[in-house]
Amino acid sequence: GENVEQHPSTLSVQEGDSAVIKCTYSDSASNYFPWYKQELGKRPQLIIDIRSNVGEKKDQRIAVTLNKTAKHFSLHITETQPEDSAVYFCAARETGANNLFFGTGTRLTVIP
Amino acid sequence: DVKVTQSSRYLVKRTGEKVFLECVQDMDHENMFWYRQDPGLGLRLIYFSYDVKMKEKGDIPEGYSVSREKKERFSLILESASTNQTSMYLCASMDLQQPQHFGDGTRLSIL
Repeated sequence: GENVEQHPSTLSVQEGDSAVIKCTYSDSASNYFPWYKQELGKRPQLIIDIRSNVGEKKDQRIAVTLNKTAKHFSLHITETQPEDSAVYFCAARETGANNLFFGTGTRLTVIP
Repeated sequence: DVKVTQSSRYLVKRTGEKVFLECVQDMDHENMFWYRQDPGLGLRLIYFSYDVKMKEKGDIPEGYSVSREKKERFSLILESASTNQTSMYLCASMDLQQPQHFGDGTRLSIL
């Protein structure tokens, strides 16, 4: 099955700086890559996703890039704000499947 | 807006008890999932269901079973609870090839 690795496990940045979280996956058949944000005590919520027919997707301060050849994808948050502090999970889904394989999470702390 | 509701936010049970965790979704989704979330391990899939009465094992099914008698409801059962099943349990649902939507989670403590 698919194996998703996520780095770093913790990340601290100053408010206004950028944050980058990286994930790699093992199965070349994976074609869907969502990112979830989980604030303390709350449910994981989808913040952005990308499918393998595109290399980059952007939504305001958040962007995701995908390199299919290298089998890695990254989350980029620009102009970070304290409310961006949360745990972020990447995931991958194989073509035709419904279940996701999750990374182990990155705890992002934005220091005011 | 998709609503996935888990019956309890916090639950305390004793070892050996049979424990039921309930999850209901209101969007007529075909697929439902149960995960457990532990620090440093991310979300690990226990079981999922792609239709009524259908189920598939995930990565860590040992010690768990599931029931899906109605499309909107997916139950996770701990047949004989053990302390190593103390964890946060998350339910999710999704439509075919769409994003998964999560419930608020149940923090289960087994004493």
